[in-house]
Amino acid sequence: RKEVEQDPGPFNVPEGATVAFNCTYSNSASQSFFWYRQDCRKEPKLLMSVYSSGNEDGRFTAQLNRASQYISLLIRDSKLSDSATYLCVVLPTPSGGYNKLIFGAGTRLAVHP
Amino acid sequence: NAGVTQTPKFQVLKTGQSMTLQCAQDMNHEYMSWYRQDPGMGLRLIHYSVGAGITDQGEVPNGYNVSRSTTEDFPLRLLSAAPSQTSVYFCASSRLARGNGNTIYFGEGSWLTVV
Repeated sequence: RKEVEQDPGPFNVPEGATVAFNCTYSNSASQSFFWYRQDCRKEPKLLMSVYSSGNEDGRFTAQLNRASQYISLLIRDSKLSDSATYLCVVLPTPSGGYNKLIFGAGTRLAVHP
Repeated sequence: NAGVTQTPKFQVLKTGQSMTLQCAQDMNHEYMSWYRQDPGMGLRLIHYSVGAGITDQGEVPNGYNVSRSTTEDFPLRLLSAAPSQTSVYFCASSRLARGNGNTIYFGEGSWLTVV
């Protein structure tokens, strides 16, 4: 089993739709979680961190479910510009540095008019 | 604001050739690293450094060398290119301390094809 698993998609949704991605992780001791966005042929960029209580940033909501070992990303009112690959990133150890980050393979989102 | 700069952006190599991917950052970050990204797989760590003169292996170090003579630069050397090293390579840097809004910043990527 991969340490971080994501549905590769693509998720094809119309503008204005709400879409949600899940990401499962295997190490129950994992402490820190992030969502990165990667545009086609570009570098990954941090979208948002995921906090235990869940957090929102505009149209984006991230949630953590420790019992079931998954994190989710909800995008409301999808825009064409949201089309990208969304990477789930997990830090599996409490004291680990950035060298311990584990990246999921990503979920591709395509928003169409 | 240059951030993390990688060169070259595209390169085609013949099997057995050697080359160096350059990476420089102007944010005075202690931590620098190299990843490769292959289809259907997450980014995998090749080598990393926590400061000048200090390097360590990541998940997939075989076939690659690195050095960190300055805080700013972290070149990745392919010693004898193989088709299995065809990939997209990303250099990344960050402050050592996590939290407080610190994050990891990536360069724009280098597309390498080995024929």
